[in-house]
Amino acid sequence: DAGVTQSPTHLIKTRGQQVTLRCSPISGHKSVSWYQQVLGQGPQFIFQYYEKEERGRGNFPDRFSARQFPNYSSELNVNALLLGDSALYLCASSLLLGADTQYFGPGTRLTVL
Amino acid sequence: SQKIEQNSEALNIQEGKTATLTCNYTNYSPAYLQWYRQDPGRGPVFLLLIRENEKEKRKERLKVTFDTTLKQSLFHITASQPADSATYLCALDTLMNYGGSQGNLIFGKGTKLSVKP
Repeated sequence: DAGVTQSPTHLIKTRGQQVTLRCSPISGHKSVSWYQQVLGQGPQFIFQYYEKEERGRGNFPDRFSARQFPNYSSELNVNALLLGDSALYLCASSLLLGADTQYFGPGTRLTVL
Repeated sequence: SQKIEQNSEALNIQEGKTATLTCNYTNYSPAYLQWYRQDPGRGPVFLLLIRENEKEKRKERLKVTFDTTLKQSLFHITASQPADSATYLCALDTLMNYGGSQGNLIFGKGTKLSVKP
C-alpha cells in the first residue's frame, strides 16, 4: 500500500511569489497535517485538517493557508514568499483526528531566493 | 510557554554500545510521547509511542521510558549499529481542554546519533 505522497519534491521560488504544495494521504486516512521543518530544527506544526475542516492551526501568519478535498488529499498554499519560508514542508496523515500515529511523507524542499 | 528539549544535538557512540537519548518538556500535559527517526532530506519515520500512564515500552532493540513527574523520556537503542545513525526526534501530543488528544505534534530539535564501526 502506498504511503503518504507529496509533490513536488523540490521547488525554487523568488521572494513575493506564491507556492502550492500537494499531499495525498495513506488510503483510508482522513486527517492530514502540515509541518514546516527549517534546517537544524524539528518539524513545526502548521495546520491539521480532518473531514475537510480545519481542526488546528499553528503559529504561522495568514500568508499560509490550506484545504482538504473530498478525497482527503490536501494543498498548502503560501503567499508573498519570504526568504525565511525556505524549508522542508512535511505532510502527515493519520486515520482519525487525534489518532496516535502520524505517518509522514518525504516532504517538499522549498527554496526561496 | 510550552517547551521540548532534546539535551544533546549530537551523540557519538561505538558500535555495539547502548545509545541513550533524552527528551525533557515543560508546561505540557501530554497525552502521549512519540519518538521518530529522520534521515537527511527525508520525512520522519515513527518508531515508538508511550502513553502518559505507561512507564516503559519496548520494540526489538528500542526501549522508551516516560516519567511524567520528571517530565522526561529516555530513548535507548541497545547493541547499536552504524545503520542506526540518524536524527531522532521526540514529539508530544497535547491534550485538548476536554481531555481528548489534540492530534498535532510538537517536536524537539532532534539528536543526531552517529554509530561508529
